[in-house]
Amino acid sequence: GAGVSQTPSNKVTEKGKYVELRCDPISGHTALYWYRQSLGQGPEFLIYFQGTGAADDSGLPNDRFFAVRPEGSVSTLKIQRTERGDSAVYLCASSMGLDNEQFFGPGTRLTVL
Amino acid sequence: KQEVTQIPAALSVPEGENLVLNCSFTDSAIYNLQWFRQDPGKGLTSLLLIQSSQREQTSGRLNASLDKSSGRSTLYIAASQPGDSATYLCAVRRSGANSKLTFGKGITLSVRP
Repeated sequence: GAGVSQTPSNKVTEKGKYVELRCDPISGHTALYWYRQSLGQGPEFLIYFQGTGAADDSGLPNDRFFAVRPEGSVSTLKIQRTERGDSAVYLCASSMGLDNEQFFGPGTRLTVL
Repeated sequence: KQEVTQIPAALSVPEGENLVLNCSFTDSAIYNLQWFRQDPGKGLTSLLLIQSSQREQTSGRLNASLDKSSGRSTLYIAASQPGDSATYLCAVRRSGANSKLTFGKGITLSVRP
């Protein structure tokens, strides 16, 4: 079946702009995760959802970052007033439940000029 | 705070060699450990998941072991091939309700023909 998909694959924006990154999890997966990966680093946790609710958002770096999952499937990561330091690959993962293996999407490469 | 270390950062071996990739973590209270493969510009592919109660898992030419008490895991790759060239990351999930993964920085493996 289809894996985790993320759109867009690449996003270039200017400093100060607003961006939205989308994640479509594997069908039936109730848990959804967002991570951020900077060059040469491992992914760092941002937020995860169990169903529609954010179970842990402790990894969001500041209040410019927000994520939603209104119907318990697709999720959108929203970044306001982007800064050059936000440039990274944003990875989404999903799992059948919180105790299960996480499957990752291809990521969205965000570049803030 | 959990810290995951992977040393060395890069490794180059001739084709056919058996090799071991190391991963260490500071907090032994883990729920499970996952090994991932990442190709350049791509997302993460899950290779093996070891539950905290397990000692090892095998898939084809890959074998992962876990020694929770000493905070170590190894990924053994038998008869390496040029197609194995990629970055290999390990990630741990802590015990308890929180299912976020903490990643190492990865080991970039190059298998020379």
